Amino acid sequence: DAMVIQNPRYQVTQFGKPVTLSCSQTLNHNVMYWYQQKSSQAPKLLFHYYDKDFNNEADTPDNFQSRRPNTSFCFLDIRSPGLGDAAMYLCATTRSGGAEETQYFGPGTRLLVL
Amino acid sequence: AQSVTQLDSHVSVSEGTPVLLRCNYSSSYSPSLFWYVQHPNKGLQLLLKYTSAATLVKGINGFEAEFKKSETSFHLTKPSAHMSDAAEYFCVVRDNFGNEKLTFGTGTRLTIIP
Repeated sequence: DAMVIQNPRYQVTQFGKPVTLSCSQTLNHNVMYWYQQKSSQAPKLLFHYYDKDFNNEADTPDNFQSRRPNTSFCFLDIRSPGLGDAAMYLCATTRSGGAEETQYFGPGTRLLVL
Repeated sequence: AQSVTQLDSHVSVSEGTPVLLRCNYSSSYSPSLFWYVQHPNKGLQLLLKYTSAATLVKGINGFEAEFKKSETSFHLTKPSAHMSDAAEYFCVVRDNFGNEKLTFGTGTRLTIIP
């Protein structure tokens, strides 16, 4: 009954080698989010999609990009990963427009940069 | 603007004793408040949420929280700790004025002593 699915769960890449993380959802939610979470810290919002509208946080690094080809899928592309990009990346979804709507999180992808 | 303060970065309790994790919030509008739990190398799981209905909210795994507007608090409690409760807990606020973004506290690590 997985609702927010992230693949892979663990990703190892080399310094500067592009990497793509994926997220899919079975909830038909119109809003999707990508968070970065470093060790012992709270999640930090990178982007969110409100339907097809892309919203970038002001302090998201330029080498981070995102794509949302349809309602169910969202991708995080890191063009040139640095050692500082090693972190857990969390995808979340919600349905907009209601005070009671909860963000549902996926299990995360842990990225290791060598 | 909204903010969340988790007053304790670490809490240790003995198994079978009560748990209290403290959270204070600041919000310009009527907020929604959430507690999420994160076990090691896992995503965030919703424990409970307050959305302007009953001020005492019951969640999963025996946790509950009370919204106190006069104290701007939303402390998380459990009468009797279990070993499986050991995890990181995040208090989260969402402004309900057209803003779907969450603001996270810095987290409280709960350790259960056998």
